[in-house]
Amino acid sequence: AQKITQTQPGMFVQEKEAVTLDCTYDTSDQSYGLFWYKQPSSGEMIFLIYQGSYDEQNATEGRYSLNFQKARKSANLVISASQLGDSAMYFCAMREGLNRDDKIIFGKGTRLHILP
Amino acid sequence: DGGITQSPKYLFRKEGQNVTLSCEQNLNHDAMYWYRQDPGQGLRLIYYSQIVNDFQKGDIAEGYSVSREKKESFPLTVTSAQKNPTAFYLCASMTGGVPDTQYFGPGTRLTVL
Repeated sequence: AQKITQTQPGMFVQEKEAVTLDCTYDTSDQSYGLFWYKQPSSGEMIFLIYQGSYDEQNATEGRYSLNFQKARKSANLVISASQLGDSAMYFCAMREGLNRDDKIIFGKGTRLHILP
Repeated sequence: DGGITQSPKYLFRKEGQNVTLSCEQNLNHDAMYWYRQDPGQGLRLIYYSQIVNDFQKGDIAEGYSVSREKKESFPLTVTSAQKNPTAFYLCASMTGGVPDTQYFGPGTRLTVL
């Protein structure tokens, strides 16, 4: 079974609208971390936001917020007021456990297109 | 500026040749990682190293080798045993802070001719 599922292979959104990118995860660990990365066409992976499993509040970083629903095992990324520069691939990732040796597992990504 | 550098950006190799991809970081991070990305796919872990002179296999280590002689450097060799080496290769290092986050280099695109 996949550990990280991103069900939207591609999305088209009008500029200035908010967008939600879906991510569900599968783990039996109580301690885990969830990440979102952005990959523009240049290829570099850019860290956006992190949510720990024990964090009670949803993480926010500027225009990015993570809608963390622990019971549903959901960690959706919300981008407010989308911009043309937000067009990119977006990856959800998880580390089970909080030890250095625990590997990070990536989903297959969602390609986001922002329309002018 | 602190960061992770990978070279070269593009690499072409003939079948049967070994090739080495460079990864250097000046972030003083202990842990370093190599990932492979195929078109339309997520990242798959090849090798990782938590400390100098130590490294572990990831999920797809066959046909690859690494070394970690210095904290700053984690080169990846793609050997002729790798059946399908054409891919995008990303190197990352881990902060060791809270949260313990991975930061990535710009990547190397390897094409086997």
